[in-house]
Amino acid sequence: DVKVTQSSRYLVKRTGEKVFLECVQDMDHENMFWYRQDPGLGLRLIYFSYDVKMKEKGDIPEGYSVSREKKERFSLILESASTNQTSMYLCASLSIVITGTQETQYFGPGTRLLVL
Amino acid sequence: QQQVKQSPQSLIVQKGGISIINCAYENTAFDYFPWYQQFPGKGPALLIAIRPDVSEKKEGRFTISFNKSAKQFSLHIMDSQPGDSATYFCAASWGEGETSGSRLTFGEGTQLTVNP
Repeated sequence: DVKVTQSSRYLVKRTGEKVFLECVQDMDHENMFWYRQDPGLGLRLIYFSYDVKMKEKGDIPEGYSVSREKKERFSLILESASTNQTSMYLCASLSIVITGTQETQYFGPGTRLLVL
Repeated sequence: QQQVKQSPQSLIVQKGGISIINCAYENTAFDYFPWYQQFPGKGPALLIAIRPDVSEKKEGRFTISFNKSAKQFSLHIMDSQPGDSATYFCAASWGEGETSGSRLTFGEGTQLTVNP
């Protein structure tokens, strides 16, 4: 079974702090993703990475950065946390069936971040 | 701007009934349409997916209906059970290759409650 783990289930941080969210997958997937989930807005893509040291901006990258130094690990960084970054953060990794017919993103359990 | 619109936001169904969730998309380049299911405290998990070369796909009690000309697709849950109570997200993606092939755009989500 694919396993995607996130370093924390709950985090409380203060405005202005630098915040690191870590994600690890154990299936040697090339592609990894960071989303935030907010009620009524669904999941919105922050950043994704298709290889080590490669990254691309998603739909809402402002205020965030990412790091992928190893294939299995993808980190999300809030450079200076703000209250509007209070949210649920979900990491995912991607498996593409060799025929390309099905693409499954496997999600971690999420990190609920509260910025005070 | 939400490229995938999902409705309803919430849905209450009696056990044994049919649950129907609808999604509409704008980008005609989308060519992969998955549905994800999320239980409280868990990350979303792939439930069923369809490509636009077919109009319907069925897996057990879950069916996707796809209308390419109307740019709409829907999830039908037959014989709904209390264990189906969860949040459901539709999504869409397009293209091939490393950077854009599996970049999912999610709908807003539907909270389904199936009463016993």
